[in-house]
Amino acid sequence: KAGVTQTPRYLIKTRGQQVTLSCSPISGHRSVSWYQQTPGQGLQFLFEYFSETQRNKGNFPGRFSGRQFSNSRSEMNVSTLELGDSALYLCASSGGRMGAGELFFGEGSRLTVL
Amino acid sequence: AQSVTQLDSQVPVFEEAPVELRCNYSSSVSVYLFWYVQYPNQGLQLLLKYLSGSTLVESINGFEAEFNKSQTSFHLRKPSVHISDTAEYFCAVSDRSGGYNELIFGAGTRLAVHP
Repeated sequence: KAGVTQTPRYLIKTRGQQVTLSCSPISGHRSVSWYQQTPGQGLQFLFEYFSETQRNKGNFPGRFSGRQFSNSRSEMNVSTLELGDSALYLCASSGGRMGAGELFFGEGSRLTVL
Repeated sequence: AQSVTQLDSQVPVFEEAPVELRCNYSSSVSVYLFWYVQYPNQGLQLLLKYLSGSTLVESINGFEAEFNKSQTSFHLRKPSVHISDTAEYFCAVSDRSGGYNELIFGAGTRLAVHP
């Protein structure tokens, strides 16, 4: 079974631009979550989607948004990029019991903002 | 709000020595507990989890962790480490009552195994 696939793996943007990251979950998984990983703040929850609906959201500004499609693939978008948005963005999918949190992570999209 | 504290940011150890990575969580509500491992330039991999039942849980590669409710701890142990165990380890907690797949992570412990 294929794992969680994230694209692109690496990207460089400049301040003020926007970026869209893509995530394909494990086949059959309906929950997709996004996390931001930085050296200073560690791993922080961005949001979770389940059956095309945002089920939960972390404490991030409105510049961070996401969506999920009917095939469970998900995208996240960051608008008006700031230097502090440089991070590894991890997507995770889950097909288990809600709240049991057995997440399967992709390898991440590393965003550098110049 | 829940929080997770990993008491050691770095743990150096020699190969074949035992190791313990410490983790404490703050919440008094019922939780699920996890340890994830991250190798360089990779995502996170689930190492082991505590959902219910026996408080001692084991992974397939020799790690074990014990859930201690009274001390709100979930320390990770391995009796004999290998060079290949060098990685960053993250403890995480999920609120049982939330019904969401949201994990609160600790800051991570970098395990460095030396020959």
